[in-house]
Amino acid sequence: TQLLEQSPQFLSIQEGENLTVYCNSSSVFSSLQWYRQEPGEGPVLLVTVVTGGEVKKLKRLTFQFGDARKDSSLHITAAQPGDTGLYLCAGGTDSWGKLQFGAGTQVVVTP
Amino acid sequence: ETGVTQSPTHLIKTRGQQVTLRCSSQSGHNTVSWYQQALGQGPQFIFQYYREEENGRGNFPPRFSGLQFPNYSSELNVNALELDDSALYLCASTLKLTQVSYGYTFGSGTRLTVV
Repeated sequence: TQLLEQSPQFLSIQEGENLTVYCNSSSVFSSLQWYRQEPGEGPVLLVTVVTGGEVKKLKRLTFQFGDARKDSSLHITAAQPGDTGLYLCAGGTDSWGKLQFGAGTQVVVTP
Repeated sequence: ETGVTQSPTHLIKTRGQQVTLRCSSQSGHNTVSWYQQALGQGPQFIFQYYREEENGRGNFPPRFSGLQFPNYSSELNVNALELDDSALYLCASTLKLTQVSYGYTFGSGTRLTVV
């Protein structure tokens, strides 16, 4: 059972467009991480957010953690084909670092 | 600095058999976690090892067991394989200092197919 719901499940856009991926839960998380996974590879950490309301920017990617620490969003500006991949959010609930993952959003950016 | 390496990359086993998967953690990392990722799903937490002891476990039966060695490398053992055990098994390592947990580095995984 996935405690973290990601939406949409699939997103196909043209190069240069913007996109937003959402990660929602009824649970409170002490931290939330976003990963990108490509076929045949493990997830690669993009960012960790820990404070409610926190916003982090990583070049064209903007990550936001909800005020109540139950939800998060990932916004990509001017998407490029290299942004193609499975985007996973993962919530941490204890200091030992066990992560609860969402099912992921498959993003395809075509030239 | 090397990342997390897992072996083998692919494996085919018969139902009822036993399997051992191996993981070398990233240099400087002291904590290893194992995840199972079924097709089309996000990774599911199996268990975590810190200083050679299991210190957290997900909803997996006892036939899933593990070890962590003094060099922080780790093994995942699965007994009495079932068809539903077919999945990508991911190892992730991190540096944990007291209550602080840094981001995880994942390996590329072992694709296990049970027939």
